[in-house]
Amino acid sequence: GQQVMQIPQYQHVQEGEDFTTYCNSSTTLSNIQWYKQRPGGHPVFLIQLVKSGEVKKQKRLTFQFGEAKKNSSLHITATQTTDVGTYFCAGPPYGNKLVFGAGTILRVKS
Amino acid sequence: DSGVTQTPKHLITATGQRVTLRCSPRSGDLSVYWYQQSLDQGLQFLIQYYNGEERAKGNILERFSAQQFPDLHSELNLSSLELGDSALYFCASSEGSLNYGYTFGSGTRLTVV
Repeated sequence: GQQVMQIPQYQHVQEGEDFTTYCNSSTTLSNIQWYKQRPGGHPVFLIQLVKSGEVKKQKRLTFQFGEAKKNSSLHITATQTTDVGTYFCAGPPYGNKLVFGAGTILRVKS
Repeated sequence: DSGVTQTPKHLITATGQRVTLRCSPRSGDLSVYWYQQSLDQGLQFLIQYYNGEERAKGNILERFSAQQFPDLHSELNLSSLELGDSALYFCASSEGSLNYGYTFGSGTRLTVV
């Protein structure tokens, strides 16, 4: 079945370093969504990308959707301890249900 | 508070038992989704309801069932519980289309002993 692959699985950075997580799909996605789950918390919607090549920014977070709409990335500039958590991408390849990537766990060392 | 209410927050039960998890979606949202999150499986889609009707099914076991009531709240029933069913169960809601993100509840942590 359709899978959304996400890498890396885990990343541990020093506070102030940048962080990037990548999401890849074998089929074209109509849109892609990103979520953040803090330790012990629930996933929280961050953003949705719809257009080919779209780039959106939220403060230190930059989201990109690939030209072929099969890949996406989330880049965090100058990480802070508040950025810790698991970042998920999710795509709707079939119908109205989202398929989530496995997530990237981000740990920030201060 | 996300607007999606899940009860109970924690549940400990024995193998072979049956439990019911409850979800009240955010006001105005017609779609309810159930996801299972275990340590090594990520967020696994179980089932979706839209305005009372089942819309999509994922990897939901036959021992599990769900329904959405006229007031739009939903219940997930898990029966003949096994140790491997221990997980976080999240409910999410959306307005019905994929133009907006899902709003997740805080989850129910189920422990089967």
